[in-house]
Amino acid sequence: GNSVTQMEGPVTLSEEAFLTINCTYTATGYPSLFWYVQYPGEGLQLLLKATKADDKGSNKGFEATYRKETTSFHLEKGSVQVSDSAVYFCALVGYNFNKFYFGSGTKLNVKP
Amino acid sequence: DVKVTQSSRYLVKRTGEKVFLECVQDMDHENMFWYRQDPGLGLRLIYFSYDVKMKEKGDIPEGYSVSREKKERFSLILESASTNQTSMYLCASRPPGGDTQYFGPGTRLTVL
Repeated sequence: GNSVTQMEGPVTLSEEAFLTINCTYTATGYPSLFWYVQYPGEGLQLLLKATKADDKGSNKGFEATYRKETTSFHLEKGSVQVSDSAVYFCALVGYNFNKFYFGSGTKLNVKP
Repeated sequence: DVKVTQSSRYLVKRTGEKVFLECVQDMDHENMFWYRQDPGLGLRLIYFSYDVKMKEKGDIPEGYSVSREKKERFSLILESASTNQTSMYLCASRPPGGDTQYFGPGTRLTVL
């Protein structure tokens, strides 16, 4: 079956530090992979996505590469800001696009 | 921009009450979804709909029903609210042929 596992939080970093949030998945076939971000009190916003192996999704300085050989989609940012404080969700969707599988979320706290 | 709106940001109800959560999208999307979000559990799919008057159960449909009378509107109904239904409820929609879900801001429901 399909599932997503992401690192537990919270992750606390100082401003300008390097960020990695690990995400691994189990899936049949060739899923699309996503990172969503949820700011306090809000719904989920799409941050980036990748639809096939070796694709790199990127947005707002965040990047993630679809690694089929390691079944991973780790989120990275070179220099985090206080405004990046949020909960980050890794997700996948299978071939029929109906069933999303979400990780449990990783809370990021960035301190000035 | 895709816009998904939910009728209330915060709602407080009493045990046994019938509760309606409304979701509206303005992009003519065929597919709409209801999730609940709980700490440590991520997002869990309650129901989804792929067309007017069509619905399918998700992972946790017990205690919930849905209604889709118009394409733009998808309602989640708690027939008799219970305290274990206290949660954040998120609505999402997906365009035909697309793999990305777009989320509303969420409704935080408290059942006393």
